[in-house]
Amino acid sequence: DAGVTQTPRHEVAEKGQTIILKCEPVSGHNDLFWYRQTKIQGLELLSYFRSKSLMEDGGAFKDRFKAEMLNSSFSTLKIQPTEPKDSAVYLCASSLLGGTYEQYFGPGTRLTVL
Amino acid sequence: AQSVDQPDAHVTLSEGASLELRCSYSYSAAPYLFWYVQYPGQSLQFLLKYITGDTVVKGTKGFEAEFRKSNSSFNLKKSPAHWSDSAKYFCALNSGGSNYKLTFGKGTLLTVTP
Repeated sequence: DAGVTQTPRHEVAEKGQTIILKCEPVSGHNDLFWYRQTKIQGLELLSYFRSKSLMEDGGAFKDRFKAEMLNSSFSTLKIQPTEPKDSAVYLCASSLLGGTYEQYFGPGTRLTVL
Repeated sequence: AQSVDQPDAHVTLSEGASLELRCSYSYSAAPYLFWYVQYPGQSLQFLLKYITGDTVVKGTKGFEAEFRKSNSSFNLKKSPAHWSDSAKYFCALNSGGSNYKLTFGKGTLLTVTP
C-alpha cells in the first residue's frame, strides 16, 4: 500500500506570498491531520478531518492557515499570507478511524519563508 | 485537559546498554498511548501503542513499553540498544471518545554511541 504522500517536499516563499501544500492520505483512511513541527514548539496540530469533515482547525492557526479536504484522497493546506515565523516542517498524517488506530505520517514539506 | 511530558530532552548511552525513555501523561480517564520514532531527516514512524489489556506492549524494531496507571507513565524500553536506534522519540496520548487527535510530548533525542 502507498503511504501518505506530500508535495512539494521543499518550498521557499517570500514574505506575503500564498503557498499551498498538498497531501494524499493512505487509501481507505478516514482521518487526516495536518501538523507543524519546529524545534522550539515541537508538533502542533493545525487541522483535523474525519471523513472529510473539519473537526478541528487548530485555534491559534485560524487566521492565516486554511486546510481543506476536497475528497477522501486529497487535502490541501493554504498559508496566506506567509510570514518568516511560518518556516517549519509541515506534516500530514492519516489514520484508519478512531483513537485506537495509529497515525501514518507523510515525509513532510519543509517551508522556508524569507 | 490532557498533556504528555517527556522529561529528558536528550539521552546518550553506549551500544549494548539498556535504554529506557520516560513518558508521563496527565489525563483523568483511561488513555490510549503511543510511541513514535523520527530518524534524522525522516518523518515520524509508529513504534507501538497501548489501548487496553496487557500493560507491557511490544512493537517494531525490538521496542516495548510498559503502561503504569499508578504513576501515569508509559516508558519505552529496549535491550540491547544499537547505534541505529539513534533518533528522536515521541510519546503521544489520545483521549479516545469522539476526538481522535493526538497530544504529543516534546520528544527525547536518543544518541547511541558505538
